Amino acid sequence: NAGVTQTPKFRVLKTGQSMTLLCAQDMNHEYMYWYRQDPGMGLRLIHYSVGEGTTAKGEVPDGYNVSRLKKQNFLLGLESAAPSQTSVYFCATSRTETYGYTFGSGTRLTVV
Amino acid sequence: EDQVTQSPEALRLQEGESSSLNCSYTVSGLRGLFWYRQDPGKGPEFLFTLYSAGEEKEKERLKATLTKKESFLHITAPKPEDSATYLCAASGGYQKVTFGIGTKLQVIP
Repeated sequence: NAGVTQTPKFRVLKTGQSMTLLCAQDMNHEYMYWYRQDPGMGLRLIHYSVGEGTTAKGEVPDGYNVSRLKKQNFLLGLESAAPSQTSVYFCATSRTETYGYTFGSGTRLTVV
Repeated sequence: EDQVTQSPEALRLQEGESSSLNCSYTVSGLRGLFWYRQDPGKGPEFLFTLYSAGEEKEKERLKATLTKKESFLHITAPKPEDSATYLCAASGGYQKVTFGIGTKLQVIP
């Protein structure tokens, strides 16, 4: 029972490169989220999904795209990375909207 | 605009020295107040959800309480393994969860 697994754990990108972050869960949760965490700021929501085949924008969606083709997977894409996207990215899942989240261990992304 | 403010930013305690962390929130229509623990290099770990003023929840040395304007995380007789950053978050609407910056707690043996 792995819970929420994020890959990769670390990545360095050059400006303009693209990449996809994968989040996989085995908890059968409907709700999945992508957050970013930056020093001196609270976690900020990028995109979320309330079920297979659905996605919606969060607080800071610009420069990111997401897909949820299967219930257990939530992908976060950066089409053209920028230094401002240097951050730690966390995936989270939840049973319901007002239930506590289960977070993955994070992806530390550096864009140079 | 929803806001969550945590204080203090950092707290250093001697082992066994009880204290409280504060989370002040401004949201319209609180749907839930959450506490998480985050260890360095790891994702936040869920601790508690509080839904209404007056509610209290406990887990080992931790006790969370909620009023209409703030929440407290009381730590009784802390141990070094309680050292972590504690995050507070408030849900003020559909998929509107606002996180605080956190309180970094260090417990010294």
